[in-house]
Amino acid sequence: EDQVTQSPEALRLQEGESSSLNCSYTVSGLRGLFWYRQDPGKGPEFLFTLYSAGEEKEKERLKATLTKKESFLHITAPKPEDSATYLCAVQPILTGGGNKLTFGTGTQLKVEL
Amino acid sequence: SAVISQKPSRDICQRGTSLTIQCQVDSQVTMMFWYRQQPGQSLTLIATANQGSEATYESGFVIDKFPISRPNLTFSTLTVSNMSPEDSSIYLCSVSTENNEKLFFGSGTQLSVL
Repeated sequence: EDQVTQSPEALRLQEGESSSLNCSYTVSGLRGLFWYRQDPGKGPEFLFTLYSAGEEKEKERLKATLTKKESFLHITAPKPEDSATYLCAVQPILTGGGNKLTFGTGTQLKVEL
Repeated sequence: SAVISQKPSRDICQRGTSLTIQCQVDSQVTMMFWYRQQPGQSLTLIATANQGSEATYESGFVIDKFPISRPNLTFSTLTVSNMSPEDSSIYLCSVSTENNEKLFFGSGTQLSVL
C-alpha cells in the first residue's frame, strides 16, 4: 500500500528564516510526486510535479527536490504570505490510466513578522 | 490550467438527509475525481467519474452512499446520502490534465452534519 508521511506536522518560522519540509514515501513504482499548497477554506493549489530522483523544481521562494525515498520542499527567506498547509502526494505507475494520488496529512506552515 | 467551481461552498445538514454537491469545469475533461478531506487527515479519493460510464469507487466507498453523476465532459455531481456526523468533511472535486501531470482542485464543500 502506498504511504506518504510528512514532517513536521506544524512549523513556525520568522520572516526570512529558511527551512525545509519533508515528505517520505513508499510507493509501488513512482510515476510522480506532487506538492500542493492549501489555504484555509480553499482547495489545494498545484505547485510542482517531480518524476525522478535528482530532479529539482523552483517557483519563487520554493524549491522541491526528490530522492528515491523522500522529497523536500525548501522555503528560502519566507514571507507571511507563504503561510499555508503544504501537501505532498504520490502517484503510482498504473496501467489503464487513472490518477489516484495518495496524500500526506500536510505540514502547516506559519511565517511570522 | 482548469477553473473548477463547486457548489455549495458549505452547508450544515441534519442527520439522515442527503446533499448533492455540484462541480463545473471551464473546459472539457475526460476524468473527474471526488476527494474527501476529513479534519486532521489527508485527502482520500472517493471515486473517479468518467463521462458515459459508471463511476469507479475506491475501497471503503460505495455507490449507495456516494452516488455520482457525470452527464457531460464539464460537469459532475456527488451526493452524500443518509448523512451522519461522521460524514462531516470537506469534499473536493478535481480534474487532471490529459497526461495526468497536474491535478487541479475546486475550492471544496465544507459539510457539517448535526
